[in-house]
Amino acid sequence: QQPVQSPQAVILREGEDAVINCSSSKALYSVHWYRQKHGEAPIFLMILLKGGEQKGHDKISASFNEKKQQSSLYLTASQLSYSGTYFCGTLRSQGMNRDDKIIFGKGTRLHILP
Amino acid sequence: NAGVTQTPKFQVLKTGQSMTLQCAQDMNHEYMSWYRQDPGMGLRLIHYSVGAGITDQGEVPNGYNVSRSTTEDFPLRLLSAAPSQTSVYFCASSWDLSYEQYFGPGTRLTVT
Repeated sequence: QQPVQSPQAVILREGEDAVINCSSSKALYSVHWYRQKHGEAPIFLMILLKGGEQKGHDKISASFNEKKQQSSLYLTASQLSYSGTYFCGTLRSQGMNRDDKIIFGKGTRLHILP
Repeated sequence: NAGVTQTPKFQVLKTGQSMTLQCAQDMNHEYMSWYRQDPGMGLRLIHYSVGAGITDQGEVPNGYNVSRSTTEDFPLRLLSAAPSQTSVYFCASSWDLSYEQYFGPGTRLTVT
């Protein structure tokens, strides 16, 4: 089941902050965040695991509320290079079973104005 | 390391034609997957593989076949192309689902 991302789109001025949310109706093991620039492939940002472990970008922060099945990506003091579409992907179990798979949301478009 | 490579970059097909989208990775990753990306729909999983000889269906598998005879290669076959399969296709690989996925550059497919 596809996670729900909000907002769908946001426009900021350089230096402003943004929060992108990702929620699921099912219990989650991990949340994966990617950024995609127009015409390019998605690029990994970070993984948040049940239990608090995080893997990924030092300069990007995110949270994972396991009880609420929600994750938020925090973009502070935004730069022009932050523009793009952000996708969250959710994994419902540890990934050790054959039918475990990451399902992505529809994305949040972020546009930074100078 | 070339990472994840996809060929072709662009393809135009007529309805009913078949073709194979190629995907290869040189990182010895076990997990590989195919996504399609349509405007406003995000990345939707077509098929995936947890290792050579093992494939499974994702969210939107109809009209596509895959095979995984080697760790490196994971081709996607369109059996009889339809206009609804017009999309951008991404292949990705990773060690397993607890690690980042590396995406290929994509194939833009148009079916007329």
